[in-house]
Amino acid sequence: ETGVTQTPRHLVMGMTNKKSLKCEQHLGHNAMYWYKQSAKKPLELMFVYNFKEQTENNSVPSRFSPECPNSSHLFLHLHTLQPEDSALYLCASSQEVAGGPFFGPGTRLTVL
Amino acid sequence: DAKTTQPNSMESNEEEPVHLPCNHSTISGTDYIHWYRQLPSQGPEYVIHGLTSNVNNRMASLAIAEDRKSSTLILHRATLRDAAVYYCILRVCIYNQGGKLIFGQGTELSVKP
Repeated sequence: ETGVTQTPRHLVMGMTNKKSLKCEQHLGHNAMYWYKQSAKKPLELMFVYNFKEQTENNSVPSRFSPECPNSSHLFLHLHTLQPEDSALYLCASSQEVAGGPFFGPGTRLTVL
Repeated sequence: DAKTTQPNSMESNEEEPVHLPCNHSTISGTDYIHWYRQLPSQGPEYVIHGLTSNVNNRMASLAIAEDRKSSTLILHRATLRDAAVYYCILRVCIYNQGGKLIFGQGTELSVKP
């Protein structure tokens, strides 16, 4: 148990659907991250938030829209996704120089 | 971003020590060396991190070369539950911006009974 939770754990959606992934941490961390892991590939950093402000967007398509309403919650809003977006989406959180980031269990997303 | 080089795979026998190497010749003075491991269909699990000195915790030990261009993760007694992909990562800590991790391919460790 790392203290980072993600819901849902599994999600199947069509290309025209809109869904959201949720991440929550109560570790008192100030930074939160979204990573994507496609089959047989390394984790790819998507977004970074520090003190609720987005500090990094690694050329992620606009069909992925992050939201960080407070330092404990992070969302990833999904719309008009493509089948190649099917992957494991991982949330993580960290403090500036402490150990970590610490990852949640991930959401396994399948786009039909 | 600083990069690391690891062997693609390694094998170990149960109950024996495992030494997982990592090269990071372009490391800068402020980069922390982090190790994570990932079991199938799970998120990466933090193992250990260090800057210059060797580090020990309940999971593993981290030996860092004097010039910091390489490091070794040491599992003192491998168990079947240690079979995973192990990632060696350089974490850049930027003041007031947390520290991002850039993952490579990692080393897939298999443990034989």
